[in-house]
Amino acid sequence: KQEVTQIPAALSVPEGENLVLNCSFTDSAIYNLQWFRQDPGKGLTSLLLIQSSQREQTSGRLNASLDKSSGRSTLYIAASQPGDSATYLCAVRPFGKGSNYKLTFGKGTLLTVNP
Amino acid sequence: SAVISQKPSRDICQRGTSLTIQCQVDSQVTMMFWYRQQPGQSLTLIATANQGSEATYESGFVIDKFPISRPNLTFSTLTVSNMSPEDSSIYLCSVERDRGSTEAFFGQGTRLTVV
Repeated sequence: KQEVTQIPAALSVPEGENLVLNCSFTDSAIYNLQWFRQDPGKGLTSLLLIQSSQREQTSGRLNASLDKSSGRSTLYIAASQPGDSATYLCAVRPFGKGSNYKLTFGKGTLLTVNP
Repeated sequence: SAVISQKPSRDICQRGTSLTIQCQVDSQVTMMFWYRQQPGQSLTLIATANQGSEATYESGFVIDKFPISRPNLTFSTLTVSNMSPEDSSIYLCSVERDRGSTEAFFGQGTRLTVV
C-alpha cells in the first residue's frame, strides 16, 4: 500500500527566504506526482505535475524535482512571499486507469511566510 | 486546466439533517471524484461517480450515508445524510484531465460544520 509522507508538517520563514518542502513515498512504481496548494478551508490548486520519466518541472518561482528510485520529491520555492502562506500537498498516482488506481495524498506542509 | 464550481462553499448544519453538495464542471468528463478532508488530515477518496451507473465507493463509505448522483457528464452531487459532528470536514469534488499525463483538478471545497 502506497504511503506518502511530507516533512516538515509546518514551516515558518521570513519573507524572501528560499525554502524546500519534502515529499516521500514508499512505492516507487508511480505514474506521476502532483503538488498542490490549499488555502485554509478551501479546495486544492494544482501547482506542478511531474511525470515519472521526468526529473523536474518549473513554474515561476516554483521548482519541483522527482527522484523516483529513492521515492522522493521536493518543492523548491524561491524568494518566498507572504502570499505563499498555505498548506502544500503532494500526491502520487500509480499506473493504471479507473477507480482502483487512485491518488494517494500526503498530509501536507503548512507554510507561513512572515513579512 | 478545468473549471470546477462547487457549492455551497460552507455550511453549518444541525445533526440528523442532510446536506447536498453540488459540483459543476466546465466540460464533459467521464469520472468525477468526491473526497473528504477531516480536520488536520489528508484527503480520503469517498467515491467515484460515473455517468449512467452507480458510484463506486471506497472502503468505509456507503451509499446510504453518502448518496451520489451523476445525471450528466458535467454535474454531480454528493449528499451527506443523517449528519453527526464527526462528519464535519471539507468535502471536495475533483476531475481528471489527460494532457499527456493524468492531472487532477479540484473544486473550491465545501466546509461543513455539524453542530
